[in-house]
Amino acid sequence: NAGVTQTPKFQVLKTGQSMTLQCAQDMNHEYMSWYRQDPGMGLRLIHYSVGAGITDQGEVPNGYNVSRSTTEDFPLRLLSAAPSQTSVYFCASSVTGEPYEQYFGPGTRLTVT
Amino acid sequence: RKEVEQDPGPFNVPEGATVAFNCTYSNSASQSFFWYRQDCRKEPKLLMSVYSSGNEDGRFTAQLNRASQYISLLIRDSKLSDSATYLCAFYNQAGTALIFGKGTTLSVSS
Repeated sequence: NAGVTQTPKFQVLKTGQSMTLQCAQDMNHEYMSWYRQDPGMGLRLIHYSVGAGITDQGEVPNGYNVSRSTTEDFPLRLLSAAPSQTSVYFCASSVTGEPYEQYFGPGTRLTVT
Repeated sequence: RKEVEQDPGPFNVPEGATVAFNCTYSNSASQSFFWYRQDCRKEPKLLMSVYSSGNEDGRFTAQLNRASQYISLLIRDSKLSDSATYLCAFYNQAGTALIFGKGTTLSVSS
């Protein structure tokens, strides 16, 4: 099993550009989530999904969209990148429909100039 | 009170030392608590769950104090490889997401 994979590992965007951060897991996990991690701020939840077709907002959802058309994939879309979205983005998944033991992907380091 | 508070440290200890971290939480209804470990520029990884009766895994002991609303992590006989940031986490009020603390940094030196 590859576990949780994220692409790309690094990305530089210009303000106003859009892009999609990819997240996939091959463990048949129901629960998936996206966090951002900023220095001094810890991990903050952006969006989460308890199963295919179901998504909900976390603590800091503004500027981001998600969809969950399959159990395996949970992409995060930045609609119009802003410098405030410069961060490290982690995707995570959990075997149950709850955020119990979460397995994190390796992260995407995003810089918006 | 903030949702979760951790002493950011850093805690600088010599090899072999015993060190303890606390994490306070505000949601008295939380039922599930966890400690995650994060190495520099890496993803967080689950270290251990925290049960009401406490939980021990080798040199690591996690405890829950519901009355004072905090969890603790005790590391005995510290190793160089224990150097990392330790994040506490617990369920949000709806039980739909994990809330993470900002982490406590541990540096173990020889």
